Amino acid sequence: EDQVTQSPEALRLQEGESSSLNCSYTVSGLRGLFWYRQDPGKGPEFLFTLYSAGEEKEKERLKATLTKKESFLHITAPKPEDSATYLCAVPPQGGSEKLVFGKGTKLTVNP
Amino acid sequence: DAGITQSPRYKITETGRQVTLMCHQTWSHSYMFWYRQDLGHGLRLIYYSAAADITDKGEVPDGYVVSRSKTENFPLTLESATRSQTSVYFCASSESSFRSYTFGSGTRLTVV
Repeated sequence: EDQVTQSPEALRLQEGESSSLNCSYTVSGLRGLFWYRQDPGKGPEFLFTLYSAGEEKEKERLKATLTKKESFLHITAPKPEDSATYLCAVPPQGGSEKLVFGKGTKLTVNP
Repeated sequence: DAGITQSPRYKITETGRQVTLMCHQTWSHSYMFWYRQDLGHGLRLIYYSAAADITDKGEVPDGYVVSRSKTENFPLTLESATRSQTSVYFCASSESSFRSYTFGSGTRLTVV
């Protein structure tokens, strides 16, 4: 059973059209949920860590929120440079220090 | 330069050959990780290390060997490469458990 599931797999937006990406997780006793951005041909780049339900973090046009079962990455008035694959990850059940990644949402923002 | 570097950037090898992918970080982070990224599977953990001389298997360790004699280096060896090991390999490091990772730029490996 996948411990972290992202949806949608791909999302195409027009510049300025706000939307949200979803990351749902099944682990209990969450020890952090991590969001990364990955550009083509590059390694993932860290965006946010959320540790408890109700927590929110913002960076430019991105805002990440966390509930007990899922996290959302809200993108407000996106620009073409926000086009990338967004990954979320959690430590697996059992509390290991390694991360289990979702398969990502590929975001395309058209001008 | 400070950071995490992977080499080579691209590698083509033949089936059955041994190949080593290198990973070097300059922060003295305790934790280092090797992931492979494949279409349809996302990032999957191969091996990780909590400190020098301490390594552990991840989700897909078969056919791979790691070592960590120095904190800053974490090489990944494919003992006898197979076509199924064609992938993009990412090394990452983290200063402590449950903290964010910093990833390298990746090695694109093709086994022919």
